[in-house]
Amino acid sequence: QSALTQPASVSGSPGQSITISCSGTSSDIGGSNLVSWYQQYPGKAPKVMISEVSNRPSGVSNRFSGSKSGNTASLTISGLQAEDEADYYCSSYRSDITYIFGTGTKVTVL
Amino acid sequence: QVQLVQSGAEVKMPGASVKVSCKASGYTFTGHYMHWVREAPGQGLEWMGWMHPNGDGTNYAQKFQGRVTMTRDTSISTAYIELTGLISDDTALYYCVGEPPGTGKFDYWGPGTLVTVSS
Repeated sequence: QSALTQPASVSGSPGQSITISCSGTSSDIGGSNLVSWYQQYPGKAPKVMISEVSNRPSGVSNRFSGSKSGNTASLTISGLQAEDEADYYCSSYRSDITYIFGTGTKVTVL
Repeated sequence: QVQLVQSGAEVKMPGASVKVSCKASGYTFTGHYMHWVREAPGQGLEWMGWMHPNGDGTNYAQKFQGRVTMTRDTSISTAYIELTGLISDDTALYYCVGEPPGTGKFDYWGPGTLVTVSS
């Protein structure tokens, strides 16, 4: 497995809620609570939005929330805003003491 | 204020090696894992490996084992990654990333160092 599986793109209108899925296996997402989500604007370094499945770092809007069920993690953005248009990546700790990123999802605000 | 300052862009021939540095300030360098993540043009993020806070342990993604070495010099709060046997697919932006132990949270990101492999 070279990457966790994310949808290539997700879109929504301002004010709507969207959910990005991140599918893995029992060796990563299913077996770990060290699942994080990152936001990346073009030409910029990623920024952590969610850590440990559902923890929101200080300074991150409460419109961002994370969850996990089985081998799939999810990031929900509620009250979608124009500034949320970016690429989003999930990551997970793995049982072989490595990490793996998702394939990335481009969020478009219509 | 946390800052990770990386070395400048590199252009290498296929088969060559490259060593990228990452100088940390504003946080306890020896209290955080240091990871390296790369991003090829138009591609996603790829985790390459980490170095334990005490500097005694490293673990690399299977894809890079045998070609990558991560080291650090605590006296100058600087981490290094060396990649050998470069191929064109290694052309990417290489980020150093700090993680508070046990969180899996890639908290501090450097600006990235562009490595271009071309003949």
